[in-house]
Amino acid sequence: NAGVTQTPKFQVLKTGQSMTLQCAQDMNHEYMSWYRQDPGMGLRLIHYSVGAGITDQGEVPNGYNVSRSTTEDFPLRLLSAAPSQTSVYFCASSYLPRAYNEQFFGPGTRLTVL
Amino acid sequence: GIQVEQSPPDLILQEGANSTLRCNFSDSVNNLQWFHQNPWGQLINLFYIPSGTKQNGRLSATTVATERYSLLYISSSQTTDSGVYFCAVGDSGGSNYKLTFGKGTLLTVNP
Repeated sequence: NAGVTQTPKFQVLKTGQSMTLQCAQDMNHEYMSWYRQDPGMGLRLIHYSVGAGITDQGEVPNGYNVSRSTTEDFPLRLLSAAPSQTSVYFCASSYLPRAYNEQFFGPGTRLTVL
Repeated sequence: GIQVEQSPPDLILQEGANSTLRCNFSDSVNNLQWFHQNPWGQLINLFYIPSGTKQNGRLSATTVATERYSLLYISSSQTTDSGVYFCAVGDSGGSNYKLTFGKGTLLTVNP
């Protein structure tokens, strides 16, 4: 299994540009999520999905869109990038059963918005 | 929402020393994980430990859910242990898969 994969690893955008961060997992996990990591802030939840066709907002959703058309993929879209979105973005996945849901993280995407 | 506090924020050790990292949380949880973020930024799962004690080599963890804290023990530390250690919890209110992270403990192990 490849686990959780993310592309690209690095990206530089200009203010106002749009882009999509890709996330895929091959573990048949129902739950997928996006976090951003900023210095001194830990990781904060942006959006999450409990299955194909179902998404919801996390702690810091503004400026980001998501969709979940398949179990495997959970892309994160920035429609109009802002410097405040400069961060490292992590995708995570897990099984949904409440008794055991250890989460696994992708390698991250480092995004700089100029 | 649930609050997660980690201590200490920074820790510097000599190789071979032992250490204890602490994670306090403000509400009941039924999901708690410890992660190590290595110098390359990768998040590595250390323990899934909503309660009880687990050990993996030189690392062990204990969560006392009733008292709302978890401890991560590192024995005989090595330079490769350097990095940031995060505690993340999911509250027991029905969405325990939504993790709230602490701000981490930055560990530096010197040779």
